[in-house]
Amino acid sequence: EAQVTQNPRYLITVTGKKLTVTCSQNMNHEYMSWYRQDPGLGLRQIYYSMNVEVTDKGDVPEGYKVSRKEKRNFPLILESPSPNQTSLYFCASSPTDRGLPGELFFGEGSRLTVL
Amino acid sequence: AQTVTQSQPEMSVQEAETVTLSCTYDTSESDYYLFWYKQPPSRQMILVIRQEAYKQQNATENRFSVNFQKAAKSFSLKISDSQLGDAAMYFCAYRSPGSSNTGKLIFGQGTTLQVKP
Repeated sequence: EAQVTQNPRYLITVTGKKLTVTCSQNMNHEYMSWYRQDPGLGLRQIYYSMNVEVTDKGDVPEGYKVSRKEKRNFPLILESPSPNQTSLYFCASSPTDRGLPGELFFGEGSRLTVL
Repeated sequence: AQTVTQSQPEMSVQEAETVTLSCTYDTSESDYYLFWYKQPPSRQMILVIRQEAYKQQNATENRFSVNFQKAAKSFSLKISDSQLGDAAMYFCAYRSPGSSNTGKLIFGQGTTLQVKP
């Protein structure tokens, strides 16, 4: 089954404790991206990657890191989480057509709470 | 910068009735894509319908249709014969085709739809 898989689905952590949210897709998509969803703000892009070893900032990258060492994986790293990073996180992937991303396929979301 | 606005935080509809969710957007571009996504309680983001701005014909997908008014920058979603399974949060989203390769979707704030039996 074609899918984008995120882990963990739920996490409660404390300020300053490094954590990683993993994202893996089995569709051989070149493009991957992370969004965060907050009430009243919709979803906002954090980082994106056009292909292996190619990543760039979205609209709200502060406090986050990403890496793209393999095509299928795109982990989101919070080096020192803070309470304002409490949010619902989505990973998404897409094939590309002539170098441009197409329709996004979303993971099931990861609910992160930072105390 | 492009913006997307959903002015209805919550809507309700009686089962089997029709409901329209509103969305307006602001852009200076002439070519772009618009989407409606559904987010049920499971949180999964599900693409409901998409519209290319260069197409004058309104997109339709079974019970879901849009009213795309390019000049007014309006993109409403009509759900006919509402079903209990339609209860969800609905997001309107905009995408520039040249999106500087970011692939970024710009989302509205969301509208929570309640379906009453």
